[in-house]
Amino acid sequence: QQQVKQSPQSLIVQKGGISIINCAYENTAFDYFPWYQQFPGKGPALLIAIRPDVSEKKEGRFTISFNKSAKQFSLHIMDSQPGDSATYFCAARPYTGGFKTIFGAGTRLFVKA
Amino acid sequence: DTGVSQDPRHKITKRGQNVTFRCDPISEHNRLYWYRQTLGQGPEFLTYFQNEAQLEKSRLLSDRFSAERPKGSFSTLEIQRTEQGDSAMYLCASSFPGIGNTIYFGEGSWLTVV
Repeated sequence: QQQVKQSPQSLIVQKGGISIINCAYENTAFDYFPWYQQFPGKGPALLIAIRPDVSEKKEGRFTISFNKSAKQFSLHIMDSQPGDSATYFCAARPYTGGFKTIFGAGTRLFVKA
Repeated sequence: DTGVSQDPRHKITKRGQNVTFRCDPISEHNRLYWYRQTLGQGPEFLTYFQNEAQLEKSRLLSDRFSAERPKGSFSTLEIQRTEQGDSAMYLCASSFPGIGNTIYFGEGSWLTVV
């Protein structure tokens, strides 16, 4: 059972544009939502994370928007750059007492120069 | 470098052979995880250690898989009698109990079974 659903599978964005990746979760015990960035041949690296007590978190060009009632969250990459071309994974985990981070299937982002 | 270290980075083996991967976590992290990732998919949880205790194993981890963390530091993942379906990237991650308990991944060990 897929507990974290991610869309789209792939995304092409012009340089300077906004990239938007969406995720939905099912398990209401999840209350910590990290995003990971992965380049080919490398392990995933933590990009940004949010807890559902806030609706938005911004770090530089990266913003997470969170809708607790809809059980959905999204990553926005502003002013997308070719160097942002990578695979992005949303994930979810119980904040306390839990250890198993569940990942979405990933979104391959390509930013055209 | 104080990140998660994995060895070897790449392994090609014949079907039926045994392989072992090693993971050295970030030094102050007492939690260690193994994940498996296949092409086009997100990482899938395999197993988790807190110090030297293995606290959970996924149903993905068949009897041919065994993981150890004997002294609560490095960990090994052994796959016995490898099958072509075992071809994947095996990711190790570690974390320290605290805010978010964020896991930090190594660069992975690629396994190709031929």
